[in-house]
Amino acid sequence: NAGVMQNPRHLVRRRGQEARLRCSPMKGHSHVYWYRQLPEEGLKFMVYLQKENIIDESGMPKERFSAEFPKEGPSILRIQQVVRGDSAAYFCASSLRRGIVNEKLFFGSGTQLSVL
Amino acid sequence: KQEVTQIPAALSVPEGENLVLNCSFTDSAIYNLQWFRQDPGKGLTSLLLIQSSQREQTSGRLNASLDKSSGRSTLYIAASQPGDSATYLCAVNWDKGGSEKLVFGKGMKLTVNP
Repeated sequence: NAGVMQNPRHLVRRRGQEARLRCSPMKGHSHVYWYRQLPEEGLKFMVYLQKENIIDESGMPKERFSAEFPKEGPSILRIQQVVRGDSAAYFCASSLRRGIVNEKLFFGSGTQLSVL
Repeated sequence: KQEVTQIPAALSVPEGENLVLNCSFTDSAIYNLQWFRQDPGKGLTSLLLIQSSQREQTSGRLNASLDKSSGRSTLYIAASQPGDSATYLCAVNWDKGGSEKLVFGKGMKLTVNP
């Protein structure tokens, strides 16, 4: 079984460009989470999605950031008009179920976004 | 505010030592707590998960304990090895709705020297 797959591993963008980060959850998982790890900071929750639905986006910046998890295909985290402060490692994670107290979260290897 | 703290931020030890990694959290009404390992350039690997009703979990040389009343968890690593070198992250789930909205500590970078 393939794990959580993220691509690209590294993404370089100039200020003002758009960044698209992709995440394919583990097979059979329908719950996807995006986390961001800024330099010298811990991972911060951004958004929780299920197929075709955003469940919790309380950690998403109000502007320029959006996420989707379509019925077919990977989850996409989209950052418009990137700024240097967006430079970070973005991790995707997936789980099989919700509401199970011993349910584990499986993480991808992350996408390192660098904004020049 | 719900926060997770890990102190110290880094630890360097000789091979063979038994280690104690600390995690403290505000708000004792947790859903569960997980310990993760992060290797450079890689994602996170879940090591142990402790439910709010549990006091400890064990896996091989690892043992994690939970004391909700004092807001603390401890990860114990027995007979440390160079391969244990990594960053260890503590994460708390306060979401009773059962999502995986975790609050992470900043991690502790462990170096085990041969």
